[in-house]
Amino acid sequence: QVQLVQSGAELKKPGASVKVSCKASGFTFNTYAITWVRLAPGEGLEWMGRISVYNGDTKYAQKFHGRVTISTDTSTSTAYMELRSLRSDDTAAYFCARDARAIFGVAPDVWGQGTTVTVSS
Amino acid sequence: DIQMTQSPATLSASVGDRVTITCRASQSISNLLAWYQYKPGKAPKLLIYKTSSLDTGVPSRFSGSGSGTEFTLTISSLQPDDFATYYCHQYDTYDFSFGPGTKVDLK
Repeated sequence: QVQLVQSGAELKKPGASVKVSCKASGFTFNTYAITWVRLAPGEGLEWMGRISVYNGDTKYAQKFHGRVTISTDTSTSTAYMELRSLRSDDTAAYFCARDARAIFGVAPDVWGQGTTVTVSS
Repeated sequence: DIQMTQSPATLSASVGDRVTITCRASQSISNLLAWYQYKPGKAPKLLIYKTSSLDTGVPSRFSGSGSGTEFTLTISSLQPDDFATYYCHQYDTYDFSFGPGTKVDLK
């Protein structure tokens, strides 16, 4: 079935980096984009950025520019989100989602299960 | 950047009630406006995309409408499974953005 499976929970120290993976199955990975969204405790959903798998074009939220890199490995149908210089307020659940905006105008519809990243000294 | 606001922040309702949530954009956007349902510990669930298109498998009691800067999500008859937080999401103009959420709880 169509699904995105993310890597497991991470505990990081301030200043470190984290790289979360998102493996796709059940659909043609190269046809879509992948979006990353996070949800911090007590906060709302926050758009981080997206990558068009078919041409590698990336867009990042200004808030994260310079700290985040989104990439894909089409050979394994896996997307990655790396966040650097972690701070305590980066503690959140990070989600990847399939994004068909360019094809059908559909918002992110299939979501990964989420990866909890905890930043603590 | 386009700022999204939602009202109300919290809505107390009973099963069977008609519920309406409003989402406003700080500037006019196209029809690329979506609505998500979120329950703690789960992934967000897409309900509506392109302002009024129901995602596959979403019950017909959910509907969306609007244009320009004002959009609404309506639940025609609230069911027990609908108690959750709802977010609007504009994916028209970068940086894409979400509203702050509306929590629907039991009156």
